[in-house]
This record gives sequence, structure tokens and C-alpha cells, in this order.
Amino acid sequence: KNQVEQSPQSLIILEGKNCTLQCNYTVSPFSNLRWYKQDTGRGPVSLTIMTFSENTKSNGRYTATLDADTKQSSLHITASQLSDSASYICVVSQTRGGYQKVTFGIGTKLQVIP
Amino acid sequence: DAGITQSPRHKVTETGTPVTLRCHQTENHRYMYWYRQDPGHGLRLIHYSYGVKDTDKGEVSDGYSVSRSKTEDFLLTLESATSSQTSVYFCAISDPDLSNYEQYFGPGTRLTVT
Repeated sequence: KNQVEQSPQSLIILEGKNCTLQCNYTVSPFSNLRWYKQDTGRGPVSLTIMTFSENTKSNGRYTATLDADTKQSSLHITASQLSDSASYICVVSQTRGGYQKVTFGIGTKLQVIP
Repeated sequence: DAGITQSPRHKVTETGTPVTLRCHQTENHRYMYWYRQDPGHGLRLIHYSYGVKDTDKGEVSDGYSVSRSKTEDFLLTLESATSSQTSVYFCAISDPDLSNYEQYFGPGTRLTVT
């Protein structure tokens, strides 16, 4: 079983609507949790990074939340745009010495339609 | 793509042939990583490097080797390509001096083994 589970696997929403993507993880302990956006045919790009002591982080229309007690995170997208169509990947990192072990979720594929 | 290039971007090769993928960075970051991305899986670590000539295995290293003779270049070699190695390969870089060991990804190489 993957240690980072994301839901839903895919999502279609109308332009201008809001949506929330979920991430549940079992990785423990962890150093930080990140959300990445991956456009088709491109590498992932970081949206937000949260340490275990942070419970919310915003980046424009993207807001990530973290509940370290329940090991859940969410990514909320406000007023969606066509350019938000992409895969969104949740990543949990553990620091071991000078190296970070990262575990990637499979991602949620979001399609924003006009 | 944060000063990271990958070459080639696309390659089709036959089973049994050797293949080398190159990752080049201009950021002088200490850590470099090779991941593969397949449908139904999160990004999976193949090998990583924590300095020139210092490398270690990731979770899916069988059938792959790496070399890092210069800070800026990290090579991934498939000694004898198999169809199961058809995938999209991503290089990433990070540095302990970066906040939260942020990882930056290259644009990816799509490899098809026929």
C-alpha cells in the first residue's frame, strides 16, 4: 500500500469553480509535505511546502492545509482557471542525515473545462 | 525548469541496447536524483547522488547504473534496455542549503523500449 494516498484520482470542474484535493499519508516521522503541480509533458513544480508545525500555506489561488495529527493534507484551488488543468502530486519527505527520502503520491488529475 | 536540462527528451530504442540519459544543472546543487514515472505509480527513485562520485541506490535501481564525474552532470545508464524500462525519466536537484531541501525537476525524458 502506498504510504501517500491521494483522492480523487481524477476530477473535472467548471472554470471559475473551487475544488479540494485530498492527501492522506502514513509516512512517519516526516519533515515536510509538499504539493506539486505537473503539467502534461513537464516536470513537477512546487506549489507549497509545509513543515509539521505549519497547518496552512497559500500560494495565490492555491491553499494547502495540514493536520499532522490525522496525517491529512488538502489542496484547495479557488476560482479555477483553464491553466489549472494538470496533475497535482502530494509528496511527503523525511530527513535522514543530509538526505531527504521523499514519497510521492500518484496524483490527482484535474481538468478544468470552460 | 530551474536550470536543469535533460537529454535526449525523447528516445526510442530496442530491447537489449544500452541507453544513457543525461541530466545537466547550472545551479551547483549538491544532490541530484533520477526518478521514473509510470501510470498508476508515484514518482519512484532510481538512484541519487550526494556529491561528485558519491551515489546510492533508490527503490527501483535494478537494471540501472549512474555516474557523476562533475557537479553539473548526472548520467543514468540502462546497460541492456528492457520493455519494462519504458517510462518517463525525471532528473531532480536539491541542496541542503535550500529551505526544506526543495527539489527542482527537469523536463523529463520519454524512453520507449521496443
